Amino acid sequence: AQSVTQLDSQVPVFEEAPVELRCNYSSSVSVYLFWYVQYPNQGLQLLLKYLSGSTLVKGINGFEAEFNKSQTSFHLRKPSVHISDTAEYFCAVFSYGQNFVFGPGTRLSVLP
Amino acid sequence: SQTIHQWPATLVQPVGSPLSLECTVEGTSNPNLYWYRQAAGRGLQLLFYSVGIGQISSEVPQNLSASRPQDRQFILSSKKLLLSDSGFYLCAWSGTLRSYTFGSGTRLTVV
Repeated sequence: AQSVTQLDSQVPVFEEAPVELRCNYSSSVSVYLFWYVQYPNQGLQLLLKYLSGSTLVKGINGFEAEFNKSQTSFHLRKPSVHISDTAEYFCAVFSYGQNFVFGPGTRLSVLP
Repeated sequence: SQTIHQWPATLVQPVGSPLSLECTVEGTSNPNLYWYRQAAGRGLQLLFYSVGIGQISSEVPQNLSASRPQDRQFILSSKKLLLSDSGFYLCAWSGTLRSYTFGSGTRLTVV
C-alpha cells in the first residue's frame, strides 16, 4: 500500500521569504504525484503534478516541485511567498489500481 | 470543459435528522466519483468511490451511505446524523489518472 507523509503540519513564514513544504511517499510501484491547495472553506485546487519527464515541475501561482525518486520525495517550493499563499497544502500520490492517497496536509501561514 | 457542482455549501442539521448531499459533474462521461470528508484540523478521508452507475465502494464503516443513480450524479446520505458526522465534505471526479477535480465542498455541522 502506498502512503504519503507531510512532516510539517504548520509552516509559518514571512512575506517574500522562500518556502519549502515537504512531501515523502512510499510505494512499491511507479507513482504519479500531485500538490493541491485548499483555501479556507473551499475545495482543493490542483497546483501541479508530476506524471513523467522532467523531474522539476512548475505549477500555478509561482510554485514548483521536484520529484526525487531515490529519496521518494516531492517537495513543494516557492522562492517568494505572498500573503495570499496562506492556505493548506496537500501532497497526493496515485498509482494504477489504487485510489489517490493524500497526505495529512501542511498549513502555510504567511506573515506580514 | 468539465465542471463539478456540489451543494449545499453549508448545512446545519440536528442529531438524528437525515442527510442528502448532491454532487454532479458536467462535460464528461463515465467519471470516477469520490466523496471525501475533512474533519477539523485533519486531512482528507476517502469515504466512498464509484466507477459507474450503481457501483459504490466504501472505504470505512460509518453512518453514511452513497448512491450513484445517474452517470454524473453522486449522492451522500444518512438516515440519522450523529455529532461525529460534522465536517467538510468534498466531492471529486477523475476521468483519467491525471488528477482529481474537487467540488467546492459542503460544511456540515450537526448540532
